[in-house]
Amino acid sequence: KAGVTQTPRYLIKTRGQQVTLSCSPISGHRSVSWYQQTPGQGLQFLFEYFSETQRNKGNFPGRFSGRQFSNSRSEMNVSTLELGDSALYLCASSSEGMSAKNIQYFGAGTRLSVL
Amino acid sequence: AQSVTQPDIHITVSEGASLELRCNYSYGATPYLFWYVQSPGQGLQLLLKYFSGDTLVQGIKGFEAEFKRSQSSFNLRKPSVHWSDAAEYFCAVGAHDTGNQFYFGTGTSLTVIP
Repeated sequence: KAGVTQTPRYLIKTRGQQVTLSCSPISGHRSVSWYQQTPGQGLQFLFEYFSETQRNKGNFPGRFSGRQFSNSRSEMNVSTLELGDSALYLCASSSEGMSAKNIQYFGAGTRLSVL
Repeated sequence: AQSVTQPDIHITVSEGASLELRCNYSYGATPYLFWYVQSPGQGLQLLLKYFSGDTLVQGIKGFEAEFKRSQSSFNLRKPSVHWSDAAEYFCAVGAHDTGNQFYFGTGTSLTVIP
C-alpha cells in the first residue's frame, strides 16, 4: 500500500502570495489532518477533514484553509503569506471514525519558505 | 487544556548506551499516548502507542515506553542505542474527546556518538 503522499516537497514563495499544498492519503483512509511544524513551536494542529467535512480546527488564522475531495485527497491553502508561515507542513491520514485511537500515518511534508 | 511537555530539547548518548526520553502530559481523562520518530527530511513514524491495559508497551526498533498515571508521564526507553536511532522524537497525546486531534510535544533531538 502506498503511503501518504504530499506535493510538492519544496516551495518558495514571497510575502503576500498564496499557496496550495496537496495531500493524498493512504488508500481507504478517510481522515486527513494537517500540521505545521516549526523549530520554535513544534507540531501544531491546523485542521482535520473527514468525508469532505472539516471536523476539527486548530488555532490558526483564517488565512489557513483546507478542503477534502470525494476521493479523500486534501488540499491546504494559505493566502497572503507571511514570513512566519515558513515551516514544514505535514499531512497525516487515518482510517476513519472519530477516535484518537486511530493511528495517524504521516507524509514526508512540504517545506514552505516565504521570502 | 491538553498539553505535552518534553523537557529535554537535545540529548547526546554514546552508541550502545541506554536511552530515556521524557514526556509529561496534561489531560483530564485517561489519555491515548504515542511516540513518533522523525528522521531528517522525513515524516513522522509511529514507534509505539498506549491506549489502556499493561502500562509497559513495546514498540518497533527495540523501543519501549511506560505509562505512569501518578506522574502523568510516558517516558520512552531503549536499552542499547544504535547510530541509526539519531533522529527527532515526539511524544503525543490523542484527546479522545476531540476526535482525531493530537497534541504533540516540541520534540527531543537525539545525537548518537560512535
